[in-house]
Amino acid sequence: QKEVEQDPGPLSVPEGAIVSLNCTYSNSAFQYFMWYRQYSRKGPELLMYTYSSGNKEDGRFTAQVDKSSKYISLFIRDSQPSDSATYLCAMTGGAGKSTFGDGTTLTVKP
Amino acid sequence: DTEVTQTPKHLVMGMTNKKSLKCEQHMGHRAMYWYKQKAKKPPELMFVYSYEKLSINESVPSRFSPECPNSSLLNLHLHALQPEDSALYLCASSQPGYSNQPQHFGDGTRLSIL
Repeated sequence: QKEVEQDPGPLSVPEGAIVSLNCTYSNSAFQYFMWYRQYSRKGPELLMYTYSSGNKEDGRFTAQVDKSSKYISLFIRDSQPSDSATYLCAMTGGAGKSTFGDGTTLTVKP
Repeated sequence: DTEVTQTPKHLVMGMTNKKSLKCEQHMGHRAMYWYKQKAKKPPELMFVYSYEKLSINESVPSRFSPECPNSSLLNLHLHALQPEDSALYLCASSQPGYSNQPQHFGDGTRLSIL
């Protein structure tokens, strides 16, 4: 079993929809939880990161961490075609290593 | 624009060639990373440098040789690569330490082995 499981997608939504992206994990040592956005032919771009449980909001993006359920989510409100990309969750808790989900490819249709 | 810069953006090389990938960051980070990413897969960790010392080598073949000349620069020397080594090579940086602050990535070097 993988340490991090991410909803595989692909996901296709109309413009303006609310998008929910999710990951579950098994390692209780994870403390930092990140969401990266990766456009085609680009490197992963850090979108959000949270430490421990709770919510964090940044514009149209909200990251949620529930450590009791070992579940993290990224919500995108009022989705735009420019949000079309692959979204990667990542987690760290050990020295020097992050564990990534396999990514969810999102397409927002105008 | 990313704050981690990688050169070259694209590289095509034969299996007998020697080449180097370069990475530079000016974020004041003291941990730097090399990842390999295949299409439709997440990044796969290769090496970690912390305070300019190699701290993690994920059993990478010796045809890949990392070097960290100073706190801002990271190189990956390539020699006698195989076709299966074709991939996007990503550099990242962060603050070091057990908590492993979030990593910031460059846009990568797309490597093709003929």
